[in-house]
Amino acid sequence: DAKTTQPTSMDCAEGRAANLPCNHSTISGNEYVYWYRQIHSQGPQYIIHGLKNNETNEMASLIITEDRKSSTLILPHATLRDTAVYYCIVRVEGSSYKLIFGSGTRLLVRP
Amino acid sequence: DAGVTQSPTHLIKTRGQQVTLRCSPISGHKSVSWYQQVLGQGPQFIFQYYEKEERGRGNFPDRFSARQFPNYSSELNVNALLLGDSALYLCASSLWTSGMREQYFGPGTRLTVT
Repeated sequence: DAKTTQPTSMDCAEGRAANLPCNHSTISGNEYVYWYRQIHSQGPQYIIHGLKNNETNEMASLIITEDRKSSTLILPHATLRDTAVYYCIVRVEGSSYKLIFGSGTRLLVRP
Repeated sequence: DAGVTQSPTHLIKTRGQQVTLRCSPISGHKSVSWYQQVLGQGPQFIFQYYEKEERGRGNFPDRFSARQFPNYSSELNVNALLLGDSALYLCASSLWTSGMREQYFGPGTRLTVT
């Protein structure tokens, strides 16, 4: 599975969009980009995943660049409850049974 | 529906002891994975079980073992505990072993080894 690089920490104001970047320059053609988050003292929570098209669900949007070497997770209207560590993971759909977590980005949403 | 449950929530053991952690997956999920999360780091994969068989193992010593029962619940055993085993142990369940898209994590068991 390809390695990912994320900023250590970020912050944003409550109600504003939070844009969390992830670099995955060695991603291969059949690897998906997954995002999980972990709120303090809880287990990680699945957010969204995608291959090459932009994806949106009730929690967030995922924007993947055309060359697929980077992506951005967008929380459109961040709330205090979105304060968490966000993990970007790349894996091959249907073949890898494990998630390889990096250090993630610690997002602080300010009131 | 209940999510993934883990027990106990916390426990304290001394070096050299053995510990058993328990996990109940979401109803209908046949795959259970175990992760170790040391403070300040992301979770690290330990084991995955599907249909009561081990389907994957991470880079952990043989002191770590696990099993899955006919009702798909799982236990993680750690023998001869070391101080470095102090961590949050996470269990995750999913529908499949290889086709899984989402893993649902439990709240974890915090193990402290003194």
